[in-house]
Amino acid sequence: AQSVTQLDSQVPVFEEAPVELRCNYSSSVSVYLFWYVQYPNQGLQLLLKYLSGSTLVESINGFEAEFNKSQTSFHLRKPSVHISDTAEYFCAVSSRSGYSTLTFGKGTMLLVSP
Amino acid sequence: GAGVSQSPSNKVTEKGKDVELRCDPISGHTALYWYRQRLGQGLEFLIYFQGNSAPDKSGLPSDRFSAERTGESVSTLTIQRTQQEDSAVYLCASSLVLTGELFFGEGSRLTVL
Repeated sequence: AQSVTQLDSQVPVFEEAPVELRCNYSSSVSVYLFWYVQYPNQGLQLLLKYLSGSTLVESINGFEAEFNKSQTSFHLRKPSVHISDTAEYFCAVSSRSGYSTLTFGKGTMLLVSP
Repeated sequence: GAGVSQSPSNKVTEKGKDVELRCDPISGHTALYWYRQRLGQGLEFLIYFQGNSAPDKSGLPSDRFSAERTGESVSTLTIQRTQQEDSAVYLCASSLVLTGELFFGEGSRLTVL
């Protein structure tokens, strides 16, 4: 079994400021890790994923996340946010071994203001 | 189709009525998932289909909930004798591989009065 903890339900930030959305996971086996984003009135979209290889992964819109196995974390960062980044962000984990459902955290609402 | 399609997008029903929610996955995606998103909560896994079979139904909250999938395509989630606590957005997703890259529909918002 696995679980995901997103400690911050809401993160308010000013435009052009840096942001970090925290994600910690628990699993007895090796995992794949994901961040999904849900913009207002839209469905969830994959933002970035860690499957293997480099522990630092990036999205096309400037977000990055680093897999830290020792701290069981996969925090999401962006050095300078835009108003358009306002959305709910979900961290998710699935097991590497065989079939596994995707287990989601409760989400973090990123609120970017001018 | 181009993406995962769900219908209806909104459904308001009275307590005790049955509802059916439909999902059309991306063509060729063999895996199909149903999740529930209640207000202020994360995504709650309901059921997973691989082809037409459901190897994991562990998330269905009660026997009032059932789902089927036919022709390795369309899936229907049925909720019988709806209760107010069933009010939520029901999300369908499909995927091609087991590495968890799910493609989500926009959801069906169910309101039980």
